[in-house]
Amino acid sequence: GAGVSQSPSNKVTEKGKDVELRCDPISGHTALYWYRQSLGQGLEFLIYFQGNSAPDKSGLPSDRFSAERTGGSVSTLTIQRTQQEDSAVYLCASSLQVEQFFGPGTRLTVL
Amino acid sequence: DQQVKQNSPSLSVQEGRISILNCDYTNSMFDYFLWYKKYPAEGPTFLISISSIKDKNEDGRFTVFLNKSAKHLSLHIVPSQPGDSAVYFCAAIFTDSNYQLIWGAGTKLIIKP
Repeated sequence: GAGVSQSPSNKVTEKGKDVELRCDPISGHTALYWYRQSLGQGLEFLIYFQGNSAPDKSGLPSDRFSAERTGGSVSTLTIQRTQQEDSAVYLCASSLQVEQFFGPGTRLTVL
Repeated sequence: DQQVKQNSPSLSVQEGRISILNCDYTNSMFDYFLWYKKYPAEGPTFLISISSIKDKNEDGRFTVFLNKSAKHLSLHIVPSQPGDSAVYFCAAIFTDSNYQLIWGAGTKLIIKP
């Protein structure tokens, strides 16, 4: 399909391990966003990429979180030394203008 | 400081009746507003939007109303159907900025049969 895809769909990891989450945006979309949604909470903005500009990292909760976007397309969100409070659904979205198109999310569980 | 607020965490409505979801914002610079719908285990999907130059936008069973003076918008769903049961997010943007949406916390709508 032509939508946003994310992998893996589910990830269970042990506390202290590193994880990588992947997002494939819609082809041609210049903007890419990462959000997370903890249980019972709203969408929490993490990071935003727009074209070749420096990313807006203002939402990253700690320096254990980082993200890259290679070639203006695929993005990887990395969480180092995972903690139990990192357990959440991580959502990626892409856009060309205002409307954002979301992937199905990655459910991360840190034991 | 929440710039976009959805004060009702949940709402229960009888099938066939009208559902009204509310959203308040604080930043008068916002000039475009969107509603998204989210089912469990899926990403949010765009539902309907409204520009600040309008006070109403209608799409089938969904209508969004904007009251700029009150900094309030609402989503009306009529008639409500069981498939409308989902979490609804309100989002706002200042389109002269970097296209970052500011999100509300969401309202869980439950349609009772």
